[in-house]
Amino acid sequence: QQQVKQSPQSLIVQKGGIPIINCAYENTAFDYFPWYQQFPGKGPALLIAIRPDVSEKKEGRFTISFNKSAKQFSLHIMDSQPGDSATYFCAASKGVRDDKIIFGKGTRLHILP
Amino acid sequence: DTGVSQNPRHKITKRGQNVTFRCDPISEHNRLYWYRQTLGQGPEFLTYFQNEAQLEKSRLLSDRFSAERPKGSFSTLEIQRTEQGDSAMYLCASRPPRGLLGYGYTFGSGTRLTVV
Repeated sequence: QQQVKQSPQSLIVQKGGIPIINCAYENTAFDYFPWYQQFPGKGPALLIAIRPDVSEKKEGRFTISFNKSAKQFSLHIMDSQPGDSATYFCAASKGVRDDKIIFGKGTRLHILP
Repeated sequence: DTGVSQNPRHKITKRGQNVTFRCDPISEHNRLYWYRQTLGQGPEFLTYFQNEAQLEKSRLLSDRFSAERPKGSFSTLEIQRTEQGDSAMYLCASRPPRGLLGYGYTFGSGTRLTVV
């Protein structure tokens, strides 16, 4: 049973484009939704995170959009650069009650120069 | 370096052998987590500690797996009688006490295990 479903599996975007990665969840007990970025040979690194009481959060070129009623959230990368090429994971946790993080399967993003 | 440190970075072992991995978390972080990541998949939770207490173990953690954090600092993950299906990246993460920096983990670079 996959608790966090992520799509697409892979994505190729031209430099300057806006890749969008989507995630969906079922468990309404989740109250913390982080995104992680992983480069080959490295562990995942926290990119940006959101709680369900806000609908959007921006940090630099990265934006999370959150739709609580649809139980969906997405990552947008503005003005994408070749250095953004990595695997991106959406994730969820129950925060205060249980901060174990459940990850999606990941999206391999390639930004063409 | 104040990050999460994992050793060794790579380990190749023969099926049936025992292996042990070490994780040194960030010093002020009281929670430590072990995850396993196979190729093309997201990390899967194995177990976590608060200080020296092991608070939860996933059903993925069979009897052949054991984790310890004896003094609430570094942790070890041992796999006994390794099987080819154990081949994966084993990731360690830590985070500070609740209330500081939210719930984000800091991950180490992992130990890649190959069982031949």
